[in-house]
Amino acid sequence: ELKVEQNPLFLSMQEGKNYTIYCNYSTTSDRLYWYRQDPGKSLESLFVLLSNGAVKQEGRLMASLDTKARLSTLHITAAVHDLSATYFCAVPMDSNYQLIWGAGTKLIIKP
Amino acid sequence: DTEVTQTPKHLVMGMTNKKSLKCEQHMGHRAMYWYKQKAKKPPELMFVYSYEKLSINESVPSRFSPECPNSSLLNLHLHALQPEDSALYLCASSRGLAGGPTAYSYNEQFFGPGTRLTVL
Repeated sequence: ELKVEQNPLFLSMQEGKNYTIYCNYSTTSDRLYWYRQDPGKSLESLFVLLSNGAVKQEGRLMASLDTKARLSTLHITAAVHDLSATYFCAVPMDSNYQLIWGAGTKLIIKP
Repeated sequence: DTEVTQTPKHLVMGMTNKKSLKCEQHMGHRAMYWYKQKAKKPPELMFVYSYEKLSINESVPSRFSPECPNSSLLNLHLHALQPEDSALYLCASSRGLAGGPTAYSYNEQFFGPGTRLTVL
């Protein structure tokens, strides 16, 4: 059974600090997605990681994928309050339609 | 047009009502999805339409009935719902898979704003 585990599930941090969210998955996959969700809102696609060693950056967020370790990381650099949200990673199943989702990491960034 | 739209934004219904949720996309995507999301949880897949045909039904109760009138539209018909069905209902679309190795490169899903459903 494919499982996707995120940690931490909750993270409270100060503005200006760096931190990393981890996403581990239990089966072979060379693709992984990161989404952001603001409270009461929908899901916004952040990154699509398509191969081993893939690294994508957008502003203060950087995502990477290590398919051998079955691990993706979402690194936050010099956090700002606007990055407060819940972040989900998701791994596609063989069908490529179904995604297995992590539980989400709720990130709170305090001024 | 690079977005998925959903109506209504909010819906309150009684357990005997019949209502419908609507979703529309004009990105030329050939796969469309319905998800249910409870608070503080990841979304749960309900249905997938691929090329206007129902391809995945995740054992959803029959009180939820999907419909795909054409490649741009997706409906979810609701009847005799229970209070535990209250949730955020999300529609998503993706390019879909036309077959062949390149088609499997990725199938990124784009989500609509959702319908907040309350069943009384």
